[in-house]
Amino acid sequence: QVQLQESGPGLVKPSETLSLTCTVSGYSINSGYYWGWIRQPPGKGLEWIGSIYHSGNTYYSPSLKSRVTISADTSKNQFSLKLSSVTAADTAVYYCARELSGSFDHWGQGTLVTVSS
Amino acid sequence: QSVLTQPPSASGTPGQRVTLSCSGSSSNIGSNTVNWYQQLPGAAPKLLISSKNHRPSGVPDRFSGSKSGTSASLAISGLQSEDEADYYCAAWDDSLNGVVFGGGTKLTVL
Repeated sequence: QVQLQESGPGLVKPSETLSLTCTVSGYSINSGYYWGWIRQPPGKGLEWIGSIYHSGNTYYSPSLKSRVTISADTSKNQFSLKLSSVTAADTAVYYCARELSGSFDHWGQGTLVTVSS
Repeated sequence: QSVLTQPPSASGTPGQRVTLSCSGSSSNIGSNTVNWYQQLPGAAPKLLISSKNHRPSGVPDRFSGSKSGTSASLAISGLQSEDEADYYCAAWDDSLNGVVFGGGTKLTVL
């Protein structure tokens, strides 16, 4: 049973860097698939942020690319998201998910990150 | 504004068949697989339909997907009260080189 769990601060100050980690259980991220981050502002729709392959190959949303870094720690079976220079517009529930060819088949429960001073 | 266009709301009565639409372009729906997600209130999205109308294990066959040109549809037959949720379409976009989502359709079971 593949399970994903997001963790990280629930409150980030404007202009600082948002950092989240996704811990995967029941499947080794070394075994394949891409691993992605998706966010959902309160009351709004889903937005793909970016994805990483276990080899380190990454691809990001063009609208967020300048501020996003996704990395993986295969020894801990985790992958992480860093989003720099955050503003209130980055307030959202952040989900991690397993991805295959653009399809996200397993999701974490999500974690709310609020950007506020 | 989302790259894929979905009507914001839809409704149906129990037992009815409803169809949700998703409109895109040649760089996304027109050339790639469309995926559909169901998001129940307060929950994470769940994959409903993936490549070529494939349903993951546990998804009832009441749910089916189709595509024609640059548009896609999700059909739900025998509508049930537990189908009340937000539904999102998504696809890979060759021009943006990334995944794009629709804005979502809120389905109400009357």
